[in-house]
This record gives sequence, C-alpha cells and structure tokens, in this order.
Amino acid sequence: QVRLQQWGAGLLKPSETLSLTCAVHGGSFSGYYWSWLRQPPGKALEWIGEVNDGGKTHYNPSLKSSFTISADTSKNQFSLKLTSVTAADTSVYYCARTPYGIAAFDSWGPGTLVTVSS
Amino acid sequence: QSALTQPASVSASPGQSITIFCSGTSGDIGTYDLVSWYQLHPGQGPKLIIFEVTKRPSGVSDRFSGAKSGNTASLTISGLQAADEAEYVCCSYAGRSTRIFGGGTKVTVL
Repeated sequence: QVRLQQWGAGLLKPSETLSLTCAVHGGSFSGYYWSWLRQPPGKALEWIGEVNDGGKTHYNPSLKSSFTISADTSKNQFSLKLTSVTAADTSVYYCARTPYGIAAFDSWGPGTLVTVSS
Repeated sequence: QSALTQPASVSASPGQSITIFCSGTSGDIGTYDLVSWYQLHPGQGPKLIIFEVTKRPSGVSDRFSGAKSGNTASLTISGLQAADEAEYVCCSYAGRSTRIFGGGTKVTVL
C-alpha cells in the first residue's frame, strides 16, 4: 500500500519561495505521474502540475508559470517550488499519484496548509 | 478553465440513495470519459472512489456508482450510511494533461 508523506514550510511572507516535498513509501516511483494540487480556502481544488520518473513535466496552463515540479528518483521524492508567493497562494497543498492512462489521482498525501502573510 | 459545477450540499436519511451531479462543458466532461470522484474527510487527503466515469478502485463499496450524460457526470450513493457523511468532489480531464475539479458537495446523513 503506497503512502505519500509531504512536508514544507507552512508560513511564508509575500515574495518568498514556497518549497514542498513529497516522499513515496511502499510503492514504485516508476509507471506513474506525480502531481501537486492545491485548494484555496473556500475554493475548488486546482491541479498545479505533474512529473514522471523520467522528469517529464506538465503544468496547468491556467496558473502562473512560477511553479516548478521536479523528481528525485534516487530518493523516491518529488518537489514543488513556487517563487514570489502572494496571499492568493494561501492554500492546502496536496501531493498525489496518477497511474499512466487513467487521469485520476489514486493516492494522496495528507495535505500541507501554506499561509502567506506579512 | 472554469471549475465544474456541483451543488453545495445534499442530505438524506440512512438507507436512502442520493445522486450528486457535476456539470461541465464540451471541453471537459463532454469530450473525455475521464471523470473521477473523490471523498474528502476533514484533515485527510482525498480518497478516489470512482475513475473513468464508472469504475471503482479495489476496496471501494459497490454502493458508489458513477455515470455520465453529455456534459454532466453523476455520483450515486445507495444505501446511505453515517460513514458516507463527507464532501464529494468531481474531477474531469480537460485536455493538455489538465484536470479540473468541482467545488465539492457536502453530504449530510440525517
């Protein structure tokens, strides 16, 4: 049974860089896309983007291009970076797994609340 | 892309059935049979309960079923139980690797 463990700073000031990491335990890193999503307070979930074990990435074209998703296959981890955060980036951030071909997220991390405030 | 549209809340008594509708467009639900549904409990990561419109992951109760007609998807929960009280969110593939979500429906078991 795969388990996703995520961590990162929960309180940032405007203009700082958001950095989150998700570790994959108990499952293969290969054969999946690994995604980051977020849910702003009172709003719908948003898919931010994904990376596979080969480093191929896709990003949500509706979101700003300041996001970077990367994978470290030697550690079975993947990461999210967002530069120059603003209050609008305050959200619960989730990592999740997508098996190739089904476009659904079959395993999720517990979520990390990131608050941007001066 | 805009979020998919779901009712804010649905309530019913134990044993009854409910259906949650998720409205999209021809650019997402209407084109792709890649609709998924998630169950959310506070403080936990979402749980996948339906994928590819009608399929259930291993371990998910057959009381949960999905369907699609045109630009609208639906999730039916039959034989409602207290443990089903949660938020339910729909998701659709929208092209170019993008997925979009609904705003969520709070299910209350009376």
